Amino acid sequence: DAGVIQSPRHEVTEMGQEVTLRCKPISGHNSLFWYRQTMMRGLELLIYFNNNVPIDDSGMPEDRFSAKMPNASFSTLKIQPSEPRDSAVYFCASSSPAGGPEDTQYFGPGTRLTVL
Amino acid sequence: AQSVAQPEDQVNVAEGNPLTVKCTYSVSGNPYLFWYVQYPNRGLQFLLKYITGDNLVKGSYGFEAEFNKSQTSFHLKKPSALVSDSALYFCAVNTNAGKSTFGDGTTLTVKP
Repeated sequence: DAGVIQSPRHEVTEMGQEVTLRCKPISGHNSLFWYRQTMMRGLELLIYFNNNVPIDDSGMPEDRFSAKMPNASFSTLKIQPSEPRDSAVYFCASSSPAGGPEDTQYFGPGTRLTVL
Repeated sequence: AQSVAQPEDQVNVAEGNPLTVKCTYSVSGNPYLFWYVQYPNRGLQFLLKYITGDNLVKGSYGFEAEFNKSQTSFHLKKPSALVSDSALYFCAVNTNAGKSTFGDGTTLTVKP
């Protein structure tokens, strides 16, 4: 298996622009997580899905952020409009199909976002 | 609410020496504990987990972790550190739904 795939790997944009990050989870995994990592705040869970349904979006910073999972093999995280403080590395992870506490998360390589 | 604490931001050891990266947890119910490692410019990688059973868990790259229920700890250990072990290490605890709460991370530096 190719693992979790994220695109793009790097994104540089200007303040006010829309940014879309993409994730393809490991086939057969039914939970998907979006994280943000910064030096100041560490690793933060933004939202997670189970069977394509958003379960907990309490970590989404504000209405500028939205996430979708239209099917089991694809998810997007959108920021509109983007701001410099959104600059971070965004990770997608998926977990093994039990949907329970024993699940191991498998992380993608991340998207490094820079908002100028 | 569950939580994880990694009391040390940084751990420095000499190559060949044993290493310990500390983690304590707080949960209601049974703990499901994990260690992940992050190398520069990479995503987190799974090292090992404790679900139940033997308190000493063995994982990837020669790492092991000891679950101690009375001290609510899950320290990561390796008998002989390698320079290539230098990385950022995260302890995590899972909810019943598989959602993870991560610690703040500990940077391990192994010097030749």
